[in-house]
Amino acid sequence: QTVLTQPPSASGTPGQRVTISCSGSSSNIGRNTVNWYQQLPGTAPKPLIDSNNQRPSGVPDRFSGSKSGTSASLAISGLQSEDEADYYCAAWDDSLNGYVFGTGTKVTVL
Amino acid sequence: QLQLQESGPGLVKPSGTLSLTCTVSGGSISSSSYYWGWIRQPPGKGLEWIGTVYNSGRTYYNPSLNSRVTISVDTSKNHFSLKLSSVTAADTAMYYCASGSPGDGMDVWGQGTTVTVSS
Repeated sequence: QTVLTQPPSASGTPGQRVTISCSGSSSNIGRNTVNWYQQLPGTAPKPLIDSNNQRPSGVPDRFSGSKSGTSASLAISGLQSEDEADYYCAAWDDSLNGYVFGTGTKVTVL
Repeated sequence: QLQLQESGPGLVKPSGTLSLTCTVSGGSISSSSYYWGWIRQPPGKGLEWIGTVYNSGRTYYNPSLNSRVTISVDTSKNHFSLKLSSVTAADTAMYYCASGSPGDGMDVWGQGTTVTVSS
């Protein structure tokens, strides 16, 4: 079953700001931290945001994460062509006692 | 720097058991600083968490796969393994191994290995 819901697609022109939402519930985002992953075409996912808003070393500061209640958001400021990828949110779910991924959002740079 | 590499058969027959190994380099699989997990991605679809094993030996599995999946650690070979039984075509996917620090997300991923279930 779908636990974390994301819009299937998002787009913007170079330099624009794009925001991706991730909607969950009290058993996952409401209680636990949110992680975001970026998957470039044909490659393995890579960590983008940890613990709601922490960028791992090497991740550009144009990527930022936030969380409020049972929802989270990923923002890409100053969109670049190399940001064209699939983005997934994820969190631990206390009811399922497991880790759940969002449905994924494909970002297109126009 | 921790690195992970998946290996195993690329083709499994229906009703058979899928077996994959993830070899760890640049760190010890016995370290309490990491947990170890498996994730899969069917062709053209999103990511699905399969399960995770901690240094304590405690395992957590996706409820939808729980009865068919086993994740184990072999400290002598510094690798961990995935076994998925009674496979069907629906188990055809790219399989990734990954690791992270307890309480955090998965910050190291293998490159992935494709498994096809077909006779």
